[in-house]
Formats: sequence, structure tokens, C-alpha cells
Amino acid sequence: SAVISQKPSRDICQRGTSLTIQCQVDSQVTMMFWYRQQPGQSLTLIATANQGSEATYESGFVIDKFPISRPNLTFSTLTVSNMSPEDSSIYLCSITGTTPVNEQFFGPGTRLTVL
Amino acid sequence: GQQLNQSPQSMFIQEGEDVSMNCTSSSIFNTWLWYKQEPGEGPVLLIALYKAGELTSNGRLTAQFGITRKDSFLNISASIPSDVGIYFCAGQSTTGYSTLTFGKGTMLLVSP
Repeated sequence: SAVISQKPSRDICQRGTSLTIQCQVDSQVTMMFWYRQQPGQSLTLIATANQGSEATYESGFVIDKFPISRPNLTFSTLTVSNMSPEDSSIYLCSITGTTPVNEQFFGPGTRLTVL
Repeated sequence: GQQLNQSPQSMFIQEGEDVSMNCTSSSIFNTWLWYKQEPGEGPVLLIALYKAGELTSNGRLTAQFGITRKDSFLNISASIPSDVGIYFCAGQSTTGYSTLTFGKGTMLLVSP
């Protein structure tokens, strides 16, 4: 299966600043997703990152707050903009498998703390 | 929107015991996935279920897709300390590429 890496693995940031999280896959994948996992909570989908087009955002998430790039089939970034303590979460990228495509595989996550 | 009810919320058991957890939904799902997440890690896929009534095993883990497509359970037999983690169910409502809806998770603690 594909190897998914994320950078940074963790960060502590000041409110009002922005952080860009990178997701790198060692093979080409069609679909990439970004999730948020707030402390002690389940995973919530932020957006689907489409190569060559704008990301598709879920209800409650907007592009101005969480801009996403997907420049090629192995890489994506998620930016958390104008951060507040409420943005403290684990941010995870995931990819779909090849056969079958229903399964999703997750990166190790980026643990973000906003002071 | 779609919601998954996962229970129990947490379990504290002795090593060697069997464990059962389940997820239910008011909506039909075409695929059920079970994940395990350990502290500081991303979720790891344990079992994927595609057909109503399907029973699938992965080592000491067994999962079943409910006949109504609205529920699934995961059993762990003869638990060991490394089974500790949070177990999530996730449902997918359509075939092919589709977003996942996650349950709230079951935290499993195993006492040696």
C-alpha cells in the first residue's frame, strides 16, 4: 500500500498566524482528503482535494479559512489561516485505495496547538 | 446528515477477554470500514465490508455487515495489551469514490 507522510508532525502556533500542512504520497493517487480531529473527538471531513481543480469543501468549512492546494497526483497542502485556539486539532490527510477504491488510508496526522 | 451511533464509548477489560463493539445508522451504507487509532497516529484500516450479511476476519478481529446495511459490529477475541486504542467505524453511502462518515469511536483499554 502507499506510504503517506505529513509535515510537520506537530506544531505550536500563535493565534492569528497561519500554518501550511503538507501531505506527500509515494505513488500517484486520484483522490486525497483532509480531515480534522478535535481533541477526544472523531474525524470530520474538511474537503476533498482534486488535482487540477478547486477543492470541494464540506458544510461548515470554507476556502478562506482552509485553503487547499493539489498541484499533482502525489502532493497536497492544507493551510489553517488566521488561527484561533479552537483550531487546535489533529489534521489528517487520506487517500483512496486503488482496488477497491472505497477504502481510505490515512497519514500520521499533524498535531496543531494554537495558543 | 448521516450519523453513525457507535457503542460502547469505552471499554476496560482484562487481557484474554473477548470484546464486541457496534455501529448503527438510520441510513443505508454500501461500505462499512473499521479503523484503529493509537495515540499520536493516524487511523489504520482493519477491515472493510462490502456486502450485506458479509462476515470478514482479520486475525483475531471479526466484523460483520448487517443484513439491513444499517449496522455493523466488530469483535476482538482473546484481547492483548497492544489492542489498546480507539476503534472507529466508518460508513460510505455510495460505491466508488465517496466520502466517509465516522462514528465517535470506542476507546479500548486492556489490563495485563
